Order: sequence, then C-alpha cells, then structure tokens
Amino acid sequence: GAGVSQSPSNKVTEKGKDVELRCDPISGHTALYWYRQSLGQGLEFLIYFQGNSAPDKSGLPSDRFSAERTGGSVSTLTIQRTQQEDSAVYLCASSALTWEQFFGPGTRLTVL
Amino acid sequence: GQQLNQSPQSMFIQEGEDVSMNCTSSSIFNTWLWYKQDPGEGPVLLIALYKAGELTSNGRLTAQFGITRKDSFLNISASIPSDVGIYFCAGQDSNYQLIWGAGTKLIIKP
Repeated sequence: GAGVSQSPSNKVTEKGKDVELRCDPISGHTALYWYRQSLGQGLEFLIYFQGNSAPDKSGLPSDRFSAERTGGSVSTLTIQRTQQEDSAVYLCASSALTWEQFFGPGTRLTVL
Repeated sequence: GQQLNQSPQSMFIQEGEDVSMNCTSSSIFNTWLWYKQDPGEGPVLLIALYKAGELTSNGRLTAQFGITRKDSFLNISASIPSDVGIYFCAGQDSNYQLIWGAGTKLIIKP
C-alpha cells in the first residue's frame, strides 16, 4: 500500500522478554519517527531518523529501548527485558517534510 | 522541554453543535498542524498552517495560526457522530522539531 505500515498490529509478551516492532515508511520519505501512546494519553516522542544523519534518541525512556533504520527505509524498534509499564501503542510516522508526518496504525504492545 | 497546552482535555457535545479547541505555547512556532486520531488508528493530518494569521478551512473544519505565533485554534461546525476521536495539535519549532499537545477527546452525546 501507499501508507505507513507497522507490524505486528498486536503483540502480547511476558515480562522480561525482548520484542521487536517493525515500521515500513512511505517510499521516498527521508524522516521516520517512533512515538509511544499510553491508553488515553498523548504522543510521547521516542526517536527520530533523518536520512543518513545520526538519529535523535532524546526521547528513549531507558537503555532497554533502541531502534535501527536499515537502508534509509524500514525501521525496527527493539525493547529489551520488557516491563509492564512498556505496555502501550507504539506509533511510527514518516515524512518527506519535517512537519507533515504520516502515521501508521500502530502496534499495541501488552506486557503481562 | 517545550510543551503545548491543549484545551479542553475532553468535550461532551450534542450532535449539530459547534466545537472549538485550542493550543498555546510559551515559544513561537513556524508551523501548526492539527491531527485527528480515531480509535485503533494512527493520527491523520487534518489541517496544516504555515503563516501567522493564516485561516484555513477543510470542509466543516477551520483552523487559525495565531498572530503571535504562539497559539492556534481548531473549530468544527455542525458536529456529526464521525467527528468523535482525539484531536492533537502540533507545532514546529525553530529546530524543526514537532512539539505535540496532549490531545482533546471529542465525545458526542447520543
């Protein structure tokens, strides 16, 4: 499709396990963002990739969180040793211009 | 860091009523964006504003970029059931970063 896609749509895991969340941005978009959204809350910025520049990791809540963007396209957000407070919807967005972001449907992560 | 104050946090309205929500900031922004998020979906861009004083409409939606560049409002006229959802404002600062409001949840009374 033409939009941002994310997988899986839902992920249930046990506390302490690692998870990987995938984002396929819109083709040609140079910027990619990860956000976290807790139930009923606003968007919490996690990390931002722009082209080949070093990513802005200022929003990552702990060193258990990391993200990669391979070949300037697909991105993977990894959460190690998941905790119950990591349960949230993880949203990915991409943009050609830094201010108009197009969002994927999100991955709902539940940590038991 | 920078924050946007978005209000109200939630609104209960009757179908057909007009809706107004706004965002304010202590610092100036170069661009204001308004997004809507439906349940289980990612936010979708509704309106983008690029100049101070700009007033832009998209169907029943109207948004304005405040003249001070520190605020923006979104109006929805004659609300319908499909308007329910969470509305977010976002402002682009001088570092080209998007700062997000906490959202306004719109609920229409049956």
